[in-house]
Amino acid sequence: DTAVSQTPKYLVTQMGNDKSIKCEQNLGHDTMYWYKQDSKKFLKIMFSYNNKELIINETVPNRFSPKSPDKAHLNLHINSLELGDSAVYFCASSGAGTGPYEQYFGPGTRLTVT
Amino acid sequence: GQNIDQPTEMTATEGAIVQINCTYQTSGFNGLFWYQQHAGEAPTFLSYNVLDGLEEKGRFSSFLSRSKGYSYLLLKELQMKDSASYLCAVWGLGGQNFVFGPGTRLSVLP
Repeated sequence: DTAVSQTPKYLVTQMGNDKSIKCEQNLGHDTMYWYKQDSKKFLKIMFSYNNKELIINETVPNRFSPKSPDKAHLNLHINSLELGDSAVYFCASSGAGTGPYEQYFGPGTRLTVT
Repeated sequence: GQNIDQPTEMTATEGAIVQINCTYQTSGFNGLFWYQQHAGEAPTFLSYNVLDGLEEKGRFSSFLSRSKGYSYLLLKELQMKDSASYLCAVWGLGGQNFVFGPGTRLSVLP
């Protein structure tokens, strides 16, 4: 029944490692997003995919690479992790009927880089 | 670019009414929306405004003045469960370009 799911929920890793976060939505939405929420609780958009095509790529280091195998999945791969990457990463989706306004967020993945 | 301002924290009493303001500066405007985020949880959608005026949705209402770059979220009959952060976000130019404000942490006291 979960609308937007993310795995893993928690991720603890060391600097320099490569990790992936997976996201899936079963809402039939066309657009999916990745957000980063830092320790100050600022929620910043990183990427957006519409029907498997990238439509936003904000000022994000190229160590971060989104991959969308189909419109129900948007995964986030991070290379050479740094301490500053520690944050909560949220996946979200929105449908064509409501545009980007009404986004449904996943539960978040808390990434800690040591 | 886009700049969004909200008060950092607010406190109100159970049963009262509280208004959370949001001001924004944007190079283009396609809409403004409000999300609620409880501590440790994901944001959940509350409302959006595209045109000037008030949108009412149960105990929550949101107002927009595009000429003033101003919006507010009005919460009536406050309940303890309304203690959360409230995020204002603006959809500006550039297709899917939208930015979240810093959020207002609301504490509802008994």
